[in-house]
Amino acid sequence: NAGVMQNPRHLVRRRGQEARLRCSPMKGHSHVYWYRQLPEEGLKFMVYLQKENIIDESGMPKERFSAEFPKEGPSILRIQQVVRGDSAAYFCASSLSQGASNQPQHFGDGTRLSIL
Amino acid sequence: GESVGLHLPTLSVQEGDNSIINCAYSNSASDYFIWYKQESGKGPQFIIDIRSNMDKRQGQRVTVLLNKTVKHLSLQIAATQPGDSAVYFCAENAGNNRKLIWGLGTSLAVNP
Repeated sequence: NAGVMQNPRHLVRRRGQEARLRCSPMKGHSHVYWYRQLPEEGLKFMVYLQKENIIDESGMPKERFSAEFPKEGPSILRIQQVVRGDSAAYFCASSLSQGASNQPQHFGDGTRLSIL
Repeated sequence: GESVGLHLPTLSVQEGDNSIINCAYSNSASDYFIWYKQESGKGPQFIIDIRSNMDKRQGQRVTVLLNKTVKHLSLQIAATQPGDSAVYFCAENAGNNRKLIWGLGTSLAVNP
């Protein structure tokens, strides 16, 4: 499967725990985007990363949320001390060149995060 | 208390008919637009894109029309099939801003 791979597909956490969501972009893609989706809503941008750099994190809450895209390995979206309101589907996308104005973003099937 | 949920606009068509899904975008500076299809439990799937220097683009069974004057985008699906049943989103991108801004979505139901 040469597409964007996200894992886990489903993640259950209790309030106060940490959630780690992983995303492996398509082969050859160096741009990664994270989005959040609530039921029956469109996706909301969170953060845009290139290898080892955060380019735009304007959609990501300042506290408890962080993202990285190391030189080796997948991109990680980390949510510390989760609360019920963090329950959502989190989607990762990747693109080949410099962002949406040149190439479409291709999406993984998401991680559905449930907070008990 | 009682919770109120959002309800997606729904388009119901007969198999074999043509479907037209509409989208109004918000930013007059947006110069790139994409239509995505999302099936239940899956991620958005790219369908077709269009840049602001065009007003029409065709793909396989799909056509996107862009009217910049009224900031309107439409997706036309020819000979709609049951496999086309999904939620369809338009997304816009404005210039140097890399993030996609998404519309609410339209649920397409194809009746056999």
